[in-house]
Amino acid sequence: ELKVEQNPLFLSMQEGKNYTIYCNYSTTSDRLYWYRQDPGKSLESLFVLLSNGAVKQEGRLMASLDTKARLSTLHITAAVHDLSATYFCAVKLVTSGSRLTFGEGTQLTVNP
Amino acid sequence: DSGVTQTPKHLITATGQRVTLRCSPRSGDLSVYWYQQSLDQGLQFLIQYYNGEERAKGNILERFSAQQFPDLHSELNLSSLELGDSALYFCASSAGTGFYTGELFFGEGSRLTVL
Repeated sequence: ELKVEQNPLFLSMQEGKNYTIYCNYSTTSDRLYWYRQDPGKSLESLFVLLSNGAVKQEGRLMASLDTKARLSTLHITAAVHDLSATYFCAVKLVTSGSRLTFGEGTQLTVNP
Repeated sequence: DSGVTQTPKHLITATGQRVTLRCSPRSGDLSVYWYQQSLDQGLQFLIQYYNGEERAKGNILERFSAQQFPDLHSELNLSSLELGDSALYFCASSAGTGFYTGELFFGEGSRLTVL
């Protein structure tokens, strides 16, 4: 059974600082997705990583994928308050078709 | 706006009751997925339909059932409700059903509270 683990689960950081969220998964895959969720809201797609070594950047967020290590990272640069949200990684397996298995989520709070 | 529409947004009901949640996928998407999000279980996959047929089943209770209609909208039926069924229920859609299908697009969710 595929397990997707994120750490940390809770992250409180100051504006202007950098930090990285880690997503480990237990079964080989080269399909990794990052989503953002604001409290009580829907999941918004941030990044789609489709191969080993893939790197995508949008504003202060950068995501990467290492399929050999079964690890994806979401790096936050010079955090701002607007980035406060819960971030989920999700993995797709060949054996599971198109469905996604989600990590537990990382609740990020950026303090002024 | 993802293009996935869910109704109702909020629902409060009593234990033992039955409710139906509705989802309209993005235009052109044939796959519909249902996920349950609760504080203790996180985001759990319940079931997937593709073009009217059940395609994959996850951690869906026997008290729950779903279907996808010819117009591609889907309904999730929850019966004999228990307190523990209180959660946010998300519908998502995608164009296809295989591994190489693109990302899933999520609706705003239906928040179910069972009292």
